[in-house]
Amino acid sequence: GQQVMQIPQYQHVQEGEDFTTYCNSSTTLSNIQWYKQRPGGHPVFLIQLVKSGEVKKQKRLTFQFGEAKKNSSLHITATQTTDVGTYFCAGYGNKLVFGAGTILRVKS
Amino acid sequence: DAGVTQSPTHLIKTRGQHVTLRCSPISGHKSVSWYQQVLGQGPQFIFQYYEKEERGRGNFPDRFSARQFPNYSSELNVNALLLGDSALYLCASSLEGSGANVLTFGAGSRLTVL
Repeated sequence: GQQVMQIPQYQHVQEGEDFTTYCNSSTTLSNIQWYKQRPGGHPVFLIQLVKSGEVKKQKRLTFQFGEAKKNSSLHITATQTTDVGTYFCAGYGNKLVFGAGTILRVKS
Repeated sequence: DAGVTQSPTHLIKTRGQHVTLRCSPISGHKSVSWYQQVLGQGPQFIFQYYEKEERGRGNFPDRFSARQFPNYSSELNVNALLLGDSALYLCASSLEGSGANVLTFGAGSRLTVL
């Protein structure tokens, strides 16, 4: 069945450093969504990518959807302590499947 | 407008018991999905309902069941609880039944099975 893998599982960065998480699907996706979950909280929608090769930016966050629509990445420039949390990708093939998430910790 | 509301927020049960979790979607949203999130993992899809009909079912045993009411609220029922059912149960609402719709999650119901 459809599987979505995310790497790395965990990343601890110094405040001001960049951060990237990668998402790979076993099947071609119709779209991919990214969510952020703060410690003790619930997932909150960040963005949806639909088109092959699409790149979207939200302030310091850059989201990419691969040309083959099977992979995606989230890049955060100059991390801040407010970026702490777990970032999930969720790929929609014939159902929405979440990756295991990447936990981001930021040292100030 | 209220977001997605779930109840109860926390509950403790013992093995073999039954639990009912409740969810009210955002006003105007007609689809409700249920997810199980075990500590350290991503949300796992359990059910999706749209206009009171089941639109999708994840890989969960028959002990798990759900329904959606005419006002679009929903219940998730779990029978014969096992220790492994301990998790955060998340409800998410969306405008329509397409899985491509964006999900708005509630705060979740944290279930502990002893």
